[in-house]
Amino acid sequence: DVVMTQSPLSLPVTLGQPASISCRSSQGLVHSDGNTYLSWFQQRPGQSPRRLIYRVSNRDSGVPDRFSGSGSGTDFTLKISRVEAEDVGVYYCMQGTHWPRTFGQGTKLEIK
Amino acid sequence: EVQVLESGGGLVQPGGSLRLSCAASGFTFSTYMMTWVRLPPGKGLEWVSTITGSGGGTYYADSVKGRFAISRDNSKNTLYLQMNSLRAEDTALYYCARGTMNPDYWGQGTLVTVSS
Repeated sequence: DVVMTQSPLSLPVTLGQPASISCRSSQGLVHSDGNTYLSWFQQRPGQSPRRLIYRVSNRDSGVPDRFSGSGSGTDFTLKISRVEAEDVGVYYCMQGTHWPRTFGQGTKLEIK
Repeated sequence: EVQVLESGGGLVQPGGSLRLSCAASGFTFSTYMMTWVRLPPGKGLEWVSTITGSGGGTYYADSVKGRFAISRDNSKNTLYLQMNSLRAEDTALYYCARGTMNPDYWGQGTLVTVSS
């Protein structure tokens, strides 16, 4: 199985400051179709997961442009340029290239 | 508007069975693979199972293989998860989601509690 390792697991951030979450996969995530299926999800308290980023760097409709995704190979990053109060929650990366699909452990973002 | 809505969760004894449903609307259901993901209490998201659009292909996490069965009825735009031989570690909030490589729309979840 592809192991997805996120860091940090806890991320206290001051409002207005940037934040960054790393996600490393134990294998490369390039699919045979040429795409890299690495997504980022946000789960706010009491809500269902919401996809923020798909195929490494594509932002979903309605997602603020302060969220960005990057990376290649086995190293991927989610960045928030300026954290707002509504960003509190748990963030997960997920690979959709290999079976079984696997998620990172989750990173809990809180306001300092 | 795309919507997926889970139902069927509840309290069940160890060794018991439960069938979850996921009603989909707002898109051509039969053209999408569908996925079940769960969130155990205090833990992270765990992929459970995926089914192809036609229903002819199914995929399972090792932790549920042989006990759970995913299926769909494209005439009713509904996804199912039949869960047998339930264990305490199956206790979780179960979500259905559209797609599998980068699932985009998720339901609100249905809670399954396995306890005596």
